[in-house]
Amino acid sequence: TQLLEQSPQFLSIQEGENLTVYCNSSSVFSSLQWYRQEPGEGPVLLVTVVTGGEVKKLKRLTFQFGDARKDSSLHITAAQPGDTGLYLCAGFFPYNAGNMLTFGGGTRLMVKP
Amino acid sequence: KAGVTQTPRYLIKTRGQQVTLSCSPISGHRSVSWYQQTPGQGLQFLFEYFSETQRNKGNFPGRFSGRQFSNSRSEMNVSTLELGDSALYLCASSLMSGANVLTFGAGSRLTVL
Repeated sequence: TQLLEQSPQFLSIQEGENLTVYCNSSSVFSSLQWYRQEPGEGPVLLVTVVTGGEVKKLKRLTFQFGDARKDSSLHITAAQPGDTGLYLCAGFFPYNAGNMLTFGGGTRLMVKP
Repeated sequence: KAGVTQTPRYLIKTRGQQVTLSCSPISGHRSVSWYQQTPGQGLQFLFEYFSETQRNKGNFPGRFSGRQFSNSRSEMNVSTLELGDSALYLCASSLMSGANVLTFGAGSRLTVL
């Protein structure tokens, strides 16, 4: 079974704080994606990482892909209330055909003003 | 261009009934995937359709079925509804199977009483 474990499940912080969300698997990903979902909406793709050791930045968000391509992290600098939402990691595994994504359980982030 | 459109957005059914959900992908997208999202299990892959053929199927009972039409629109059906089928059903479209770039719709929230 291909599982993605995401931590923490819940995070409540003050505006301006930094945070890191982790995504781990015992299996190697062919690629990994991070999504953000707001209430009443579907997940929206933030980034795709493909190469082991890859680091991508999207404004205040930094995404890292582990060297062995089994783990990833999302770091948010100086969080803002607009960052509130459900953050999901999702992986494509090498032996899953097509567009089959395996999702982590999600991290529900609340940023208080 | 228009995004992924799912109908209906909300519906309530009773146990034993059946339900059909519809998904219109982004124009030009030929792959449609379906996911179930629940608080307990998170997001789980149901199936993917490409060129009117089922490409992949997740680990769900045969009560869950789907199809895709020649215009790439897709429907999923759940027969003999159970309380545990209450969930947000998300559809995602992609240019083609294996493209690994998915755009999600807002979902259809099904409540089974």
